[in-house]
Amino acid sequence: GAGVSQSPSNKVTEKGKDVELRCDPISGHTALYWYRQSLGQGLEFLIYFQGNSAPDKSGLPSDRFSAERTGGSVSTLTIQRTQQEDSAVYLCASSPAPGTKAQYFGPGTRLLVL
Amino acid sequence: AQSVTQPDIHITVSEGASLELRCNYSYGATPYLFWYVQSPGQGLQLLLKYFSGDTLVQGIKGFEAEFKRSQSSFNLRKPSVHWSDAAEYFCAVAAASGGSYIPTFGRGTSLIVHP
Repeated sequence: GAGVSQSPSNKVTEKGKDVELRCDPISGHTALYWYRQSLGQGLEFLIYFQGNSAPDKSGLPSDRFSAERTGGSVSTLTIQRTQQEDSAVYLCASSPAPGTKAQYFGPGTRLLVL
Repeated sequence: AQSVTQPDIHITVSEGASLELRCNYSYGATPYLFWYVQSPGQGLQLLLKYFSGDTLVQGIKGFEAEFKRSQSSFNLRKPSVHWSDAAEYFCAVAAASGGSYIPTFGRGTSLIVHP
């Protein structure tokens, strides 16, 4: 079956511009996560959606970052007024119903802010 | 708070040699433990996971890991490494209970395989 997909695969933008990154989770997965992976670093948790519950935004690094998940499926991560330090790979993962715990990752979006 | 330490940033092995990647975790109760692999330009793929029961867990691609509670470790092993195993490996820990589940990842170990 189809896995988690992300678009675009690569994004180059200028400092100060806004960007939107999209994630299509595996159909039926109720949990969705966004992570940021900087060069040589591990995964930095950003935000977590579970069903219709309020998202856990505790990992968002600043108010320039926001995310939404429409209809319990597709999610969009928005970065406003991008900065060079936002350059990273943004990974999305989804998980089946609560309790299974394992995550299925998309290929990521590589963001470069010039 | 939970945390994960992968002490080795890089590991170099020869093809056909055995492999052990170290992972130490910190968590106040029984954790859920995972190993993921990330090939260049790809997302992470789950290799194996430990939830409960047998402390020796078998995964895909010939990998296994052993949960040692006394040492707070969950080391990944493979008896004979293939060149295609060259990748980044991440250990992760998560709470074993609670509805809000956010795993913590280690910083990763880069595996280099020499022919």
